[in-house]
Order: sequence, then C-alpha cells, then structure tokens
Amino acid sequence: EDQVTQSPEALRLQEGESSSLNCSYTVSGLRGLFWYRQDPGKGPEFLFTLYSAGEEKEKERLKATLTKKESFLHITAPKPEDSATYLCAVRNAGKSTFGDGTTLTVKP
Amino acid sequence: EAQVTQNPRYLITVTGKKLTVTCSQNMNHEYMSWYRQDPGLGLRQIYYSMNVEVTDKGDVPEGYKVSRKEKRNFPLILESPSPNQTSLYFCASSSTGGDQPQHFGDGTRLSIL
Repeated sequence: EDQVTQSPEALRLQEGESSSLNCSYTVSGLRGLFWYRQDPGKGPEFLFTLYSAGEEKEKERLKATLTKKESFLHITAPKPEDSATYLCAVRNAGKSTFGDGTTLTVKP
Repeated sequence: EAQVTQNPRYLITVTGKKLTVTCSQNMNHEYMSWYRQDPGLGLRQIYYSMNVEVTDKGDVPEGYKVSRKEKRNFPLILESPSPNQTSLYFCASSSTGGDQPQHFGDGTRLSIL
C-alpha cells in the first residue's frame, strides 16, 4: 500500500527565516511526486512535479527536491503570503495518495 | 479559463436523502477523481476515472457511486447519505492518469444531519 508522511505537521517561521518541509513516501511504482499548496477554503493548487531521484525544481522562494525515499520543499526567505498548507502526493497509475500536509505560518 | 467546477458549493441535508454533487471540467482531460478531506485525515481518494466509461475505487469508496458517461462530467452520488459522510469534497482532473498534476475544484462542503 502506498504511503506518504509529511513532517512537521505545523511550522511557524518569522519572515525571512528559511526552512524545509519533508515528505517521506513508499510507492510500488512512482509515476510522479507532486507538491500542492492549499489555502483555507480552497482546493489544492499545483506547485511542482518531480519524476526521478536527483531532480530539483524551483519557483520563486520555493525549491523542491527528490530522493528515492523522500522529497523536500525548501522555502527561502519566506513572506507572510507563503502561509498555507503544503501537500505532498504520489501517483501510482490512477491512484493518488496524499500526505496530511504541513501548515506553514509566516509571521511578519 | 481552464477550470474544474463543482456544484453545489455548500449543502445541508438529512440522512437517507439521495444527493448528487456535480463536477465538470473544460480542459478535455482524460482523468477525473473525487476526494474527501477531513481534519486530521488529509485528502482521501473516493473514486477515479481514467477515461470515459472507466471508473475505479479509491481508498474510501463505501457509500458513494460515480459514473463517467461523458469526458467532461464526473458526478458523485450519495444514494443514502449518513452523518459520517459529512465532509469537504473535492473533484480534480488531469490530462492523463499517470504523471500529470491535478487541477482541483473549489470544493463542496456537505453536512448530513
């Protein structure tokens, strides 16, 4: 059975204080590892797809990396508008498995 | 504008009264899926469809039905809703079922009394 575990559950940062979110996964046939951002009351919004170990992708203050067992979402010099819940998910054919998410709060 | 549209956005109903939540996408996507999101349990997949007339169970299919008669629509049917189906529901679509990201609707908040 596919599993995704995210840590920490919650993270509070000061504006400008860089940190990383972790996503550990086990999947029988990885077709892609996905990061999403979810704001309160909204549907998840796609951030990145990673397909193979060693791959990295960047978007503004966010950078996602992938190894054979885990993925990291690095947040550099975060701003209050980066506050949200970040979800990690794996796809195995049509089945999707999501982690419980990390809720990030960035204080000004 | 590319989007996934769910209706209704909010619904309060009573146990046993059949209801349907509609989902439509305008991106010509092959893959569609339904999720429920509960506090502490994250997003859990209910059903998914790799293409028209093809549906499969996700992790929590009990008490739900789906159909995929047309590419753009994927309704979620609760034949006899119960209070444990009170939840926030999301529909999503992607161009294919394997390695493409999903586009999510804005959600349907369902309360069953």
